[in-house]
Amino acid sequence: GQQLNQSPQSMFIQEGEDVSMNCTSSSIFNTWLWYKQDPGEGPVLLIALYKAGELTSNGRLTAQFGITRKDSFLNISASIPSDVGIYFCAGQKTSGTYKYIFGTGTRLKVLA
Amino acid sequence: ETGVTQTPRHLVMGMTNKKSLKCEQHLGHNAMYWYKQSAKKPLELMFVYSLEERVENNSVPSRFSPECPNSSHLFLHLHTLQPEDSALYLCASSQDYLPDTQYFGPGTRLTVL
Repeated sequence: GQQLNQSPQSMFIQEGEDVSMNCTSSSIFNTWLWYKQDPGEGPVLLIALYKAGELTSNGRLTAQFGITRKDSFLNISASIPSDVGIYFCAGQKTSGTYKYIFGTGTRLKVLA
Repeated sequence: ETGVTQTPRHLVMGMTNKKSLKCEQHLGHNAMYWYKQSAKKPLELMFVYSLEERVENNSVPSRFSPECPNSSHLFLHLHTLQPEDSALYLCASSQDYLPDTQYFGPGTRLTVL
C-alpha cells in the first residue's frame, strides 16, 4: 500500500543543535501534517501545511510543503531536551476527508 | 476533564477474553476515530465515525467491534484477539475532517497473551 518514507529513522543530537527531517512519497498530497509523540502519549499536531511551497513556523519548528507536493520537511532550531520524542509526518491526498497516511516516524534524542 | 481521554491506559488479556476500550472527547467534535499503532509501523486507521454513523471500516477483522453511542463516546469491543493484535490503540476526534482540529487521546496499551 501507499507509504510515506521518513528520514532519518532516528537521530541523536546535542542540545542547541538544529535538526532536519523529511518525509517523501511517490504520490502527490494536498495536505501535509507534522506530529510529535511523547512516550506514553498520543500524537500532538505541530504544523499543518496546505499549499505547495508553503513555509510555516511554530516557535522553533519550521515545516515546508515541498514544491513537487511529494515531500515535506521539518526543521527544529536550537534543540532542547524536551524536543525528545517521535516525529511523524502524515499526508492527505484528498482535502476534506479523514484519509491520512502516516510515516513511520523519526525518533529524536537530545543529549544535554 | 478536557481533550480526549481513554480508559484503560493499559490492558492485558488472554485470547479468549472479551474486553472493551473506552474513549471520551470533551471538545464538542463530530468525528471520532480508532487507530492502531504497532512498533515500527505507521499509524493504521481502523474506524471512523461521523455524527455517530460509521463511515469507515478499514478492513479490520471482526474480532474488533466499534460502537459510538453518541458524539462524545467511542468504544472498541475486543473478543478472541490474537497476540499480533498487541499494540497501542489510539482514539482521536476532530471537527468535521479538518486536520488541524484532530486531537488524539493518550492511547490504551494492549497486550494479548
